[in-house]
Amino acid sequence: TQLLEQSPQFLSIQEGENLTVYCNSSSVFSSLQWYRQEPGEGPVLLVTVVTGGEVKKLKRLTFQFGDARKDSSLHITAAQPGDTGLYLCAGLLRGSARQLTFGSGTQLTVLP
Amino acid sequence: DSGVTQTPKHLITATGQRVTLRCSPRSGDLSVYWYQQSLDQGLQFLIQYYNGEERAKGNILERFSAQQFPDLHSELNLSSLELGDSALYFCASSVAGSSSGNTIYFGEGSWLTVV
Repeated sequence: TQLLEQSPQFLSIQEGENLTVYCNSSSVFSSLQWYRQEPGEGPVLLVTVVTGGEVKKLKRLTFQFGDARKDSSLHITAAQPGDTGLYLCAGLLRGSARQLTFGSGTQLTVLP
Repeated sequence: DSGVTQTPKHLITATGQRVTLRCSPRSGDLSVYWYQQSLDQGLQFLIQYYNGEERAKGNILERFSAQQFPDLHSELNLSSLELGDSALYFCASSVAGSSSGNTIYFGEGSWLTVV
């Protein structure tokens, strides 16, 4: 069982559509990060959210940290083929050994 | 380019064999992390070194070991390989000794196939 569950696992949409990816847990995190991984490359950090209820925007991407710091979402507006990739959430458990725990990932494909 | 260099990029070996994966962190980074990524387990933290010392241990098997050298490069040794060890192995580095509030940068990974 994954500590961080991501949904959906796979998502295929047309260019221009909006989408939301979810990252859920029963545990509380002191911070949560979102990464994008493209084929043949390692994950690249997109954003870090720290405060419950925090919302961060990165161009067409909007990230939200849940009020209870147990969940997060990533919303993409007007998706483009360049957004295609594996999106991973990763969290630092409160009081943990300070190592990131990664979610199972959402494979996004944006069709032109 | 993250600045983290991993070699080899691809490796095919037989069961029972031993391999060594090498990682050079970004210039100035003192921490090196090793992760394993497989289809069924996702991205799993294996081990972290900070300035030559082991800092944290994750889901690393006893058949696996790692070290960080004085020049800060790191090696991950995988022995008595099994089919299930086939995976993508990532090295990552960061300036500080923990992931907390600290950006970690991933290399491109080493694809290991055990046949």
